[in-house]
Amino acid sequence: AQSVTQLGSHVSVSEGALVLLRCNYSSSVPPYLFWYVQYPNQGLQLLLKYTSAATLVKGINGFEAEFKKSETSFHLTKPSAHMSDAAEYFCAVSGGPGRRALTFGSGTRLQVQP
Amino acid sequence: SQTIHQWPATLVQPVGSPLSLECTVEGTSNPNLYWYRQAAGRGLQLLFYSVGIGQISSEVPQNLSASRPQDRQFILSSKKLLLSDSGFYLCAWTSAMRDTGELFFGEGSRLTVL
Repeated sequence: AQSVTQLGSHVSVSEGALVLLRCNYSSSVPPYLFWYVQYPNQGLQLLLKYTSAATLVKGINGFEAEFKKSETSFHLTKPSAHMSDAAEYFCAVSGGPGRRALTFGSGTRLQVQP
Repeated sequence: SQTIHQWPATLVQPVGSPLSLECTVEGTSNPNLYWYRQAAGRGLQLLFYSVGIGQISSEVPQNLSASRPQDRQFILSSKKLLLSDSGFYLCAWTSAMRDTGELFFGEGSRLTVL
């Protein structure tokens, strides 16, 4: 079975500061991992994904995440926060090929202060 | 390119009334289709998924049902809504041919049951 834990339901940073959103996963098979972003009253948009290639994955809008198997983590970072980054972020795991659906974490709401 | 459409975007219904939310995908064939629900302040809960016409798998027992009458159409229904059915409903698809498993989401349907 797969599960995802996102530490911190709310994170607040200042504009220009480092963004760090934490995600730990549990999977009985080598996982595929994803980060999605959701703006108010919209669907989810894929930010980036890890599918067993490079452990450091770069995504859209300047975000990146590093897969660390020893720590079962896939934390999302961005060097410098922008006001437009304010949104909810979801980490998700699949069980790899053939797994039918993604399992999502409970989400982290990012606030960016001016 | 592939697109996914959900409607209606917003719905306010009385308790005990029926429900029909519709989702269609364009630009692909034989997608895997999913319905997720997002309750206020919570993550995404998988409700149903489908790997083909007439094939529906339910993840949790509930007051809702799903149908797939055509290859790229997925419908979420209820005969009698409950207050607890309120939430943000998201339809998603993934390619059955692509093993990386990322989901592509519609814009969502916000249901308020009064």
